[in-house]
Amino acid sequence: DSGVTQTPKHLITATGQRVTLRCSPRSGDLSVYWYQQSLDQGLQFLIQYYNGEERAKGNILERFSAQQFPDLHSELNLSSLELGDSALYFCASSVGGTGGAYGYTFGSGTRLTVV
Amino acid sequence: SQQGEEDPQALSIQEGENATMNCSYKTSINNLQWYRQNSGRGLVHLILIRSNEREKHSGRLRVTLDTSKKSSSLLITASRAADTASYFCATAAANFGNEKLTFGTGTRLTIIP
Repeated sequence: DSGVTQTPKHLITATGQRVTLRCSPRSGDLSVYWYQQSLDQGLQFLIQYYNGEERAKGNILERFSAQQFPDLHSELNLSSLELGDSALYFCASSVGGTGGAYGYTFGSGTRLTVV
Repeated sequence: SQQGEEDPQALSIQEGENATMNCSYKTSINNLQWYRQNSGRGLVHLILIRSNEREKHSGRLRVTLDTSKKSSSLLITASRAADTASYFCATAAANFGNEKLTFGTGTRLTIIP
């Protein structure tokens, strides 16, 4: 157990639907990062939050949004889902805002299947 | 887009042999990190090497960094079946303030018992 909790582990939904993925960072970590992993695109950075504020944005679609709450857990909202959104979604956390300086702790991921 | 490219894409070796995988990247970096991913699981941080370091060891892992060639290598000595996994390099760009890591495409390592 890495200390980063992601729920649900698996999600199957239909095209056009909306889902919410949840992440609780490791105790003491203030930053949360969301990544998408697919076979053809590899690991793509989506977005980072630090202590409730958006810190960095990557290749996140307009149909996707995220937030970090006062208790530091984060949610990634995916809407108007398409078949191509099927992927593993990972959350990672780090102590400070500069997680790249020391490394990330990853959760076990949410496997999203859009049918 | 990917910052790093791993080479080879896949590697199969006998248990007990050494495994070497390489990573090339494009921009200036603050550090380079290696992660392991078992099939369908989360990534696990293995080792971090800073841009002013040339070599680092951790147990059976040895990492080298050549900033002039923008490349790194990961050596796993005396491989074990449990080392079977995908290995990713990740870079913290020098001009991005270390906020995020950019991951390479990964090397799938298979250890044959």
